[in-house]
Amino acid sequence: DQQVKQNSPSLSVQEGRISILNCDYTNSMFDYFLWYKKYPAEGPTFLISISSIKDKNEDGRFTVFLNKSAKHLSLHIVPSQPGDSAVYFCAASERIQGAQKLVFGQGTRLTINP
Amino acid sequence: DTGVSQDPRHKITKRGQNVTFRCDPISEHNRLYWYRQTLGQGPEFLTYFQNEAQLEKSRLLSDRFSAERPKGSFSTLEIQRTEQGDSAMYLCASSLYQGSVGNIQYFGAGTRLSVL
Repeated sequence: DQQVKQNSPSLSVQEGRISILNCDYTNSMFDYFLWYKKYPAEGPTFLISISSIKDKNEDGRFTVFLNKSAKHLSLHIVPSQPGDSAVYFCAASERIQGAQKLVFGQGTRLTINP
Repeated sequence: DTGVSQDPRHKITKRGQNVTFRCDPISEHNRLYWYRQTLGQGPEFLTYFQNEAQLEKSRLLSDRFSAERPKGSFSTLEIQRTEQGDSAMYLCASSLYQGSVGNIQYFGAGTRLSVL
């Protein structure tokens, strides 16, 4: 079963506008949520995270919102820039012995149009 | 030090052959993870090391897969008797526990395996 879902395989946004990427999860035991960005031929790069005890975290142009009751989180990018074009993965953190393993969604390909 | 390094970047092998991949984590990171990513999917957890101890293994890791991390430094992932279904991107990540920011994992560029 897919514990973390990104239901939009792709999203196209005009440069300068807001990009909103969505993610849903099913496991209420997840304690952190992270967003990673991936360019072709590179590994995923950490972007921003949020603890399950918070509802918002902001870092420059990137803001992540968490709605625990709905088991939903979203990543807002504003303003969107051409360099933001990439695949974005939502990940949820699950405790294992002495660390945490990440459970990823399927990814959303974001394209920023000039 | 610039990040997590994986070698080789690409591996093409024939079904039934054994392959081995290497991962060099960020030097001060004591936690190391292996993930597998197939086309159109996100990475899936395979196994985890804290220093040299392998503490967690996924059900995805069949008996043909083995991972080691001697001396708690680099790690190897070996697949014996490869099958076409093993074709995937194998990603390595490392982390250093950072308390409130939740153990961010830093990924390498991956090894793409193609089994013919």
